[in-house]
Amino acid sequence: EVQLVESGGGLVQPGGSLRLSCAASGFSFSSHWMNWVRQAPGKGLEWVANLEKDGGEKHYVDSVKGRFTISRDNAKNSLYLQMSNLRAEDTALYYCARGLKAWGYNLDYWGQGALVTVSS
Amino acid sequence: DIQMTQSPSSLSAFVGDRVTITCRASQSIKNDVNWYQQKPGKAPKLLINTASNLQSGVPSRFSGSGSGTDFTLTISSLQPEDFATYYCQQSSSTPLTFGQGTRLENK
Repeated sequence: EVQLVESGGGLVQPGGSLRLSCAASGFSFSSHWMNWVRQAPGKGLEWVANLEKDGGEKHYVDSVKGRFTISRDNAKNSLYLQMSNLRAEDTALYYCARGLKAWGYNLDYWGQGALVTVSS
Repeated sequence: DIQMTQSPSSLSAFVGDRVTITCRASQSIKNDVNWYQQKPGKAPKLLINTASNLQSGVPSRFSGSGSGTDFTLTISSLQPEDFATYYCQQSSSTPLTFGQGTRLENK
């Protein structure tokens, strides 16, 4: 069974940093693109970043470029999102999502999310 | 960036109704559209990928169509468990973008 479990969320002050983790199991992690998608309270879905199978190619939404870094450790079946210089508008539930093997931009499994709250 | 405009933003329907949700892309994206269902407090679930391919385990009352800029998600006969929010997403290029969502409510 495919499982994605996020951790590392919490309350952080504006300008602070936080690192999210996503532990994957039940599939060949190194064979899939991986994504982070966020959802602000009561709002829609916003894609944040994704990362190629071997960690080479990565993409970000403009609003987080230079502040967030996506990475992965295929030996540990884990995906990460290092977030720095956090802003109030980064407050959201952050989902880890797997890309389909055939096309990594189609997101076929999602975790339950990690809540990040940026507030003083 | 490719903008995805979804309509309607909300919809009230009866069990058994046929429901259609539309999504328009700001430029041609061939058939690179996915549809997701999200229930309150839950993660999104992929229903349809590449415009019309039904994900394994998704009931056949769900279908998708379209190409280029105009896409539709149809539920042929609404069931009680289908009341949820639906999102389209373009998978043509990054940044990946979602429609603003359609909240489907029980009339």
